[in-house]
Parts: sequence; C-alpha cells; structure tokens
Amino acid sequence: DGGITQSPKYLFRKEGQNVTLSCEQNLNHDAMYWYRQDPGQGLRLIYYSQIVNDFQKGDIAEGYSVSREKKESFPLTVTSAQKNPTAFYLCASSSQGSDIQYFGAGTRLSVL
Amino acid sequence: QKEVEQDPGPLSVPEGAIVSLNCTYSNSAFQYFMWYRQYSRKGPELLMYTYSSGNKEDGRFTAQVDKSSKYISLFIRDSQPSDSATYLCAMSAGRQYIFGTGTRLKVLA
Repeated sequence: DGGITQSPKYLFRKEGQNVTLSCEQNLNHDAMYWYRQDPGQGLRLIYYSQIVNDFQKGDIAEGYSVSREKKESFPLTVTSAQKNPTAFYLCASSSQGSDIQYFGAGTRLSVL
Repeated sequence: QKEVEQDPGPLSVPEGAIVSLNCTYSNSAFQYFMWYRQYSRKGPELLMYTYSSGNKEDGRFTAQVDKSSKYISLFIRDSQPSDSATYLCAMSAGRQYIFGTGTRLKVLA
C-alpha cells in the first residue's frame, strides 16, 4: 500500500531531551512537510523540503531541525530549545507540480 | 484579518440531514481548494479538491468554490454518524498552503 508512515504514534520527552519523529513515504513524492497541530489552531508549518538535501524553514521552525538525505524520508527532531513541544505532529507529502498534500497518521508528543 | 476563516463549531445535526461547511479567505491568488476530514487523533484525510471556481461532486459530498466572493463550501448529503469528524478546508497558491482551523461535526443517530 502506498502512503505516509509516521512513527512512533505516541512519544514522551523529558526536560532537556531531543527527540526524533520519523516520516517515511512510498508515494515517490518530491516534497515533504512537517506541521504542528494544537487544539483550536490550524496546522502550522514547521519545515518543508522540495528536493533531497534541501529544506526550508516554515512559520514556526525555532526549536526544530530536519534532514532530507533520502527522497522517502524526512525526520523531524524536536530539540530541547523547543519550550512548548506538546502537540500533534503531522507529516505530509506532495508530488512535483501538485498543490495537493497527503498526510500521515500523526505523532502525539507529550512532555514528562 | 485572517487569511482563512472557518467556523469552529461544534455543529450537531441529526442523521440524514444535509450539512453545509464553509470557509472564507482573503487571498485572491489561491487556485486549489481542498477539504480534509480528520477523525480524533488521526491525520487529515483528503476528501476532495477543486481547481479554481465551480462545483465538484463525489458521492454524498459536493464542494463549491466561489472565487468572486472568496467563499468555499462542502455539502454532505444524507449525513451519517460515521461523518462525525473535524473538517478542515485548505487552499493553495504555488508554495503557499493555508489551512482553516477546522469545523467539528457531530451527526446524531
């Protein structure tokens, strides 16, 4: 089945700890995105990548980092600099030249 | 003024009702208009998308875009309890992709 796989489904972070959220897609999409979703707010863009080895900051990139070493993979690291990391994180992808994004099932991150 | 406005609801309707969900937007450059359905604790699922103005129908769902009024709608006919979810509108113009905050819908059996 083609799709976007996010793991883990639930993640807990201790104070001062960095954690990495995984996003893998087998849709052969060129572009990948990370969003943060908080209750009562729309999706906010953290980072996006149009091609391998290149990525751009979104609206709320502070305290996050990404890499894009492979077309299929776009992991997100939530660093200790992100003081309010508790949220639902969504990964999405789209094909080149298309404005339509498809989403994974999400990772819920909480702070211990 | 927000770029996209969407009534957060919650909207409660009886089973079988026709549901109307709406978004207004301010940027006339938007060309693609999407509706996503999101169940609790799940990722958004693309329901429909429309390019530019007009209507698009898919089963019980109809999407309408009125670019002159900067207004989009999603109609659900014969609503079912399984339609209970949050519905997000989204719109794009090239690399700019904006989401509404979502409308919570509850269809009562």
